[in-house]
Amino acid sequence: EAGVAQSPRYKIIEKRQSVAFWCNPISGHATLYWYQQILGQGPKLLIQFQNNGVVDDSQLPKDRFSAERLKGVDSTLKIQPAKLEDSAVYLCASTHFSGGSGNTIYFGEGSWLTVV
Amino acid sequence: EDQVTQSPEALRLQEGESSSLNCSYTVSGLRGLFWYRQDPGKGPEFLFTLYSAGEEKEKERLKATLTKKESFLHITAPKPEDSATYLCAVRGGNTPLVFGKGTRLSVIA
Repeated sequence: EAGVAQSPRYKIIEKRQSVAFWCNPISGHATLYWYQQILGQGPKLLIQFQNNGVVDDSQLPKDRFSAERLKGVDSTLKIQPAKLEDSAVYLCASTHFSGGSGNTIYFGEGSWLTVV
Repeated sequence: EDQVTQSPEALRLQEGESSSLNCSYTVSGLRGLFWYRQDPGKGPEFLFTLYSAGEEKEKERLKATLTKKESFLHITAPKPEDSATYLCAVRGGNTPLVFGKGTRLSVIA
């Protein structure tokens, strides 16, 4: 079974520029997450999708971050304009559905962003 | 608010020297406690899910246990390839997965 695919793996941009990350979840997984992991910290949830609807975006900095999952499969996370503090790994994850107790969440390799 | 605290932050072991990692948590209505392994430059890799106090799960040299307030990840006779960051996370009620900061484990040959 193919895992969660993410691209690009690495990106370096200047502050105030924009960047977009793409994610393809495991086939059949209805729930998709974007997490932000700053060096030395645990992952922090940015947004959760159930199919193509947003379930939780309470921790997404909406003035600069946006995400979409138009057809309920692939997802894109965009940052515009980027700030230095956005330097982090952006992890995409998926699971069958979030309603059940303890459904395992599988992570991709991450997209590493450096803002200079 | 759900919270996860992991200790120690870093642990250095000699090959074969067994030890335990701690994960203390507060959560409203535990729906699962998860252990992940994360290698440098990689995403977290799922290890275990524990659902209720008293539950134990094993995989090779790793054994995870759960009480009402904490979980332990026991590492028996570790090898250098066990070196990684181990992340603990909890899910409660309708809240998303909340992670601790992790324990960085180094196993020296």
